[in-house]
Parts: sequence; structure tokens; C-alpha cells
Amino acid sequence: QSVLTQPPSASGTPGQRVTISCSGSRSNIGSNTVNWYQQLPGTAPKALIYSNSQRPSGVPDRFSGSKSGTSASLAISGLQSEDEADYYCAAWDDSLNGVTFGGGTKLTVL
Amino acid sequence: QVQLVESGGGVVQPGRSLRLSCAASGFTFTRHAMNWVRQAPGKGLEWVAVISYDGSTKYYADSVKGRFTISRDNSKNTLYLQMNSLRAEDTAVYYCARVTVAAEYATFDYWGQGTLVTVSS
Repeated sequence: QSVLTQPPSASGTPGQRVTISCSGSRSNIGSNTVNWYQQLPGTAPKALIYSNSQRPSGVPDRFSGSKSGTSASLAISGLQSEDEADYYCAAWDDSLNGVTFGGGTKLTVL
Repeated sequence: QVQLVESGGGVVQPGRSLRLSCAASGFTFTRHAMNWVRQAPGKGLEWVAVISYDGSTKYYADSVKGRFTISRDNSKNTLYLQMNSLRAEDTAVYYCARVTVAAEYATFDYWGQGTLVTVSS
């Protein structure tokens, strides 16, 4: 059971906008920044969004992140087939003194 | 360019030990905290441990506390994970991941390609 809660799956058609939620608590998302990682099939994870809403260089602006209270969201607009991947949220947890990951969301592009 | 290359994985019997290494290049290693993250076959990501830029601070997941030790040799630009008393549930791909300078420990900006550890008799 992950400390951060994500839906196990999400889907959309090309061009659509999809959002993935990440729910936590006061000790993690409520007190620290949220980061999102994308893992394409058979590859290592890659940084997608850091510090709630910042994009590393090279990440398309179709990807955006937001945080409110103890929840965060990742939005993908103009969905493309190459966005099909697993997406993970992560945050530091002050109570656990450790990094917590969401269980991951498998995004399918129909 | 930033490179993180893990090594040391393999097949090991339950109860035995293994040491993983992560060779870093293309950046100033001494400026960055570093993490180990693992992924069991077909499962999600699980954080294992973090070490501060100078090695003075370390934190561990409860699942490995007392069995695993994270360390670094800044003169060799290398991160280590000493894994003792290995269990079947430690079977996973182990990734090293770099923390962005001056960011929180969950802010990974680069990941290695991973090394597979299989614990089996």
C-alpha cells in the first residue's frame, strides 16, 4: 500500500487532455513539493515535473503539474501515442523521513 | 553529459550479501545528494535510501533499515549500496538517482539504467 494514492490506470485518445491525481497527507504533499516521473516501457524512469509544476528542459509544455493542499495533479494535453507510459508521483515524507512514491498510473493511448 | 552507471547486480542466495555501485560522470558529484530506488518485477517504484552530498546524512526505507547501507566515495565519484541478509522480496532492478542541487530529496533529475538483483536459492 503506497503512502501516495494514484489511480492505477488512465486512458485517452490522441489529442485529448488527461489528468492523473496523486493524493497524500499533511506530512508529505502537504509539507513538501511533488515530483512526477515518467517510465516508458522497458526503460528507466525520467524526470517529468519537479517542485510541483516545473518542467525540466526538454519536457514538452503539454505536460503540466499542480498542487493544492494534500493533493497534486499531472495534466497531459494534446495526448500522443508516445505518452503511453507509467507515471509516478513522489514527495518527501516528514513523518517517515523518507521518499514516498505513488503506486503508479498506467496511461493508455487508445 | 550526466551519466549514472550501476553495476554489481546478479543472482544471490537468500541471506547472502551484495554490493551495488553507481559510477557518476559528467557533473560535480560532490554537489548532489544521491538515492537508490528499486522496482520489483512488474511492480512500482520503491525508494530505498538517500545520502547527502557529503555523506553526513542518510535515510533508509523501513523495509531495508538495518540490512542495507548507503555510502559514497566522492574521490571516486561513486555511490554504493551494501546489501546484507538479502531476502527474496529484495529482488528488483536497482536504480541510482541524482537529486537536484539544493532541492528536496525526492527531486530526482537523472536516473541510471538500473542493475538487476535476483535473490533466489
